[in-house]
Amino acid sequence: SQTIHQWPATLVQPVGSPLSLECTVEGTSNPNLYWYRQAAGRGLQLLFYSVGIGQISSEVPQNLSASRPQDRQFILSSKKLLLSDSGFYLCAWGPRAGDSNQPQHFGDGTRLSIL
Amino acid sequence: AQSVTQPDIHITVSEGASLELRCNYSYGATPYLFWYVQSPGQGLQLLLKYFSGDTLVQGIKGFEAEFKRSQSSFNLRKPSVHWSDAAEYFCAVGRGFQKLVFGTGTRLLVSP
Repeated sequence: SQTIHQWPATLVQPVGSPLSLECTVEGTSNPNLYWYRQAAGRGLQLLFYSVGIGQISSEVPQNLSASRPQDRQFILSSKKLLLSDSGFYLCAWGPRAGDSNQPQHFGDGTRLSIL
Repeated sequence: AQSVTQPDIHITVSEGASLELRCNYSYGATPYLFWYVQSPGQGLQLLLKYFSGDTLVQGIKGFEAEFKRSQSSFNLRKPSVHWSDAAEYFCAVGRGFQKLVFGTGTRLLVSP
């Protein structure tokens, strides 16, 4: 069966420090991968998605970047964190398909607090 | 543009009572609709999905949802709520190339 792992579970970082959050998927090949941010009362905002190694699409302009160095690895990064980067970050995967009829499956998330 | 509205931010239901969580969507084509549940500090778990066919779909944990095209709604229901159902519930609509648009969520509180 497929599993998705995110780490760390919680992270406290000072303003201006770098960030690296990692997500890996097991039990499937060529998945679509997604990074979301969840802010209180605002639902989930899609930040990035990837359909293959090295292929990243950004949904909103921001202080973050994403990379996909391997088929089942998705990394969220920042060179200098801002206070507004605080939130709950979720990674998700979906099977490779040509339409929107497949659900996405989520990791357990990373709670990021910026001080 | 696609959008999802969950009009209720919080709902409190007594244990054993029935539940209905509302979801309205805006989408130009045939929608693919999902309900997810999130326990505190956790990721999202898929409850059920609607792609086509029977407009009443069954999910896990005793949940069901009914798609009503005329009302652009996909409300989630459960006949008898258990204390373990307390969580946040998200409705989502699929849009181009497997991207989802989520509602802002409804937090369910279950009273004894």
